[in-house]
Amino acid sequence: DGGITQSPKYLFRKEGQNVTLSCEQNLNHDAMYWYRQDPGQGLRLIYYSQIVNDFQKGDIAEGYSVSREKKESFPLTVTSAQKNPTAFYLCASSIGEKLFFGSGTQLSVL
Amino acid sequence: AQRVTQPEKLLSVFKGAPVELKCNYSYSGSPELFWYVQYSRQRLQLLLRHISRESIKGFTADLNKGETSFHLKKPFAQEEDSAMYYCALSGSGGYNKLIFGAGTRLAVHP
Repeated sequence: DGGITQSPKYLFRKEGQNVTLSCEQNLNHDAMYWYRQDPGQGLRLIYYSQIVNDFQKGDIAEGYSVSREKKESFPLTVTSAQKNPTAFYLCASSIGEKLFFGSGTQLSVL
Repeated sequence: AQRVTQPEKLLSVFKGAPVELKCNYSYSGSPELFWYVQYSRQRLQLLLRHISRESIKGFTADLNKGETSFHLKKPFAQEEDSAMYYCALSGSGGYNKLIFGAGTRLAVHP
């Protein structure tokens, strides 16, 4: 089954804890993205990567970190510095201007 | 500032009625605009893009630079059109930095 796989589907974070959201793609796309979605708001870009070993901050990168060691993988770490982490997180990859999205991870704070 | 506004959170119509989902943008350059759709229990996916001037599932959207709008239209709504629709702008950041609107939920009643 080709596409983008995000895991886990639901994740809970304790106070002061870092958590990592997984995103894997087998579409052979160079570019990958992380978006955050809050109720009543559009998707906001956290980080993006155009190529392996390179990534750029989006509009709301504070409190998040990423890595891009492999073309297929673009994990997102929500650090303890992110004071309001509860949200739905979407990973995407792209070829040209068309984005392909994963099914998302809902992160909640305990 | 680059911004996408979708003024309606919810649009409710009856089957067979015309549909217009509004999208206004703010960008001083030459924009590229897209509509993404999320059906129930499915992933967010590209519906159409203005440069293609295509009709997908009976939907069309025309870029009106004078009114800075990119409204999505369909002459006769179907129940299967019920979904969440997002308008997105590719501005100065290029395809890697799409700016999404807050989304409009379309509910088509029998």
